[in-house]
Amino acid sequence: SAVISQKPSRDICQRGTSLTIQCQVDSQVTMMFWYRQQPGQSLTLIATANQGSEATYESGFVIDKFPISRPNLTFSTLTVSNMSPEDSSIYLCSGWENGNTIYFGEGSWLTVV
Amino acid sequence: EDQVTQSPEALRLQEGESSSLNCSYTVSGLRGLFWYRQDPGKGPEFLFTLYSAGEEKEKERLKATLTKKESFLHITAPKPEDSATYLCAVQARGNTGKLIFGQGTTLQVKP
Repeated sequence: SAVISQKPSRDICQRGTSLTIQCQVDSQVTMMFWYRQQPGQSLTLIATANQGSEATYESGFVIDKFPISRPNLTFSTLTVSNMSPEDSSIYLCSGWENGNTIYFGEGSWLTVV
Repeated sequence: EDQVTQSPEALRLQEGESSSLNCSYTVSGLRGLFWYRQDPGKGPEFLFTLYSAGEEKEKERLKATLTKKESFLHITAPKPEDSATYLCAVQARGNTGKLIFGQGTTLQVKP
């Protein structure tokens, strides 16, 4: 099974700043995704990270706010830009392995003050 | 619109008291139904994927079943360490890999 590591695991950020979250998978995965989990809520897909091209965003999420990169098959980054307290959430990276199981990282807990 | 509804929202059981969690779904062609366990402060831990009606999968005290409209996660003789939030998600047919999650059931097992 794929092991997904995220950095940072937790951070407190100032309003108006940006933070980049890194996601590393220990094996090649078909697809990588970024999800958001707001306090007390379930997971919502932000975007699909496409290797070497622009990410595919879900309705309600835009590239200017959540730029995503995926330079190779095992690494991706998500930036949360110009943060406000409403961006306080857990951001989760996931990988789809060989068209079967979808695994998640431990999440990056962001608090915006 | 694809949708997943889990019930109950919260469940309290005594140790050894078996029960079931429900996941009802509507999806435009099901590719797979996923169950995850999420502990506080952690990411979702994969439990099962079910692909077709009638399929069943087991892992220790957990057994997942699937029909055309819903899935059940049966917990037999639970222990306190089974306390967690259990998430259900569906993946529609196609190659998007996108998961649509329910709100989860928070299970507390008391000794």
